[in-house]
Amino acid sequence: AQTVTQSQPEMSVQEAETVTLSCTYDTSESDYYLFWYKQPPSRQMILVIRQEAYKQQNATENRFSVNFQKAAKSFSLKISDSQLGDAAMYFCAYRTSGTYKYIFGTGTRLKVLA
Amino acid sequence: DAGVTQSPTHLIKTRGQHVTLRCSPISGHKSVSWYQQVLGQGPQFIFQYYEKEERGRGNFPDRFSARQFPNYSSELNVNALLLGDSALYLCASRPYFSVDGGYTFGSGTRLTVV
Repeated sequence: AQTVTQSQPEMSVQEAETVTLSCTYDTSESDYYLFWYKQPPSRQMILVIRQEAYKQQNATENRFSVNFQKAAKSFSLKISDSQLGDAAMYFCAYRTSGTYKYIFGTGTRLKVLA
Repeated sequence: DAGVTQSPTHLIKTRGQHVTLRCSPISGHKSVSWYQQVLGQGPQFIFQYYEKEERGRGNFPDRFSARQFPNYSSELNVNALLLGDSALYLCASRPYFSVDGGYTFGSGTRLTVV
């Protein structure tokens, strides 16, 4: 069975600084997708960034980028120039290609300090 | 365009009661999924529906059931409520055939069982 592990329950970052959130996963599949979702106090899960396993190039969305290490089964999220609005719970998620079931990690609470 | 809407936003039920949660997907989205998010955990997959048919089911007891209507809205039903059913219930929708852009989530229904 696939699993997703986020080992950092909470992280803090100074405004305008850079922070990296860690995620590891376990799967025997070769074709899958990985995601980072943000959940602010409004509770809505918002897609931050996604990565297709077959792509070697790391995904980037503005201030958000990932470091995808397929052999190590690692998928970390880097947030550059952190802003107060980035404060939220961040969830790493996995989906095997051909299915629509997402497997989420336990989340990392990110605090941004002014 | 309206996003994924869920109702009610909060409710309190007594152990042993029945509850129905409702979800309206984004216009044009034919696939709806339900997730349970217990406090401090990541969302857990409950069901996925497409064209009124169940396409996937998570590891939840038969007390949990769902259905999808011709207008693609969906209901999640939980019978014989237990204290452990207290959670945030998230609905998510997506077009069935699409390059994976991830689900669009609603803001959830907070269920408290007392």
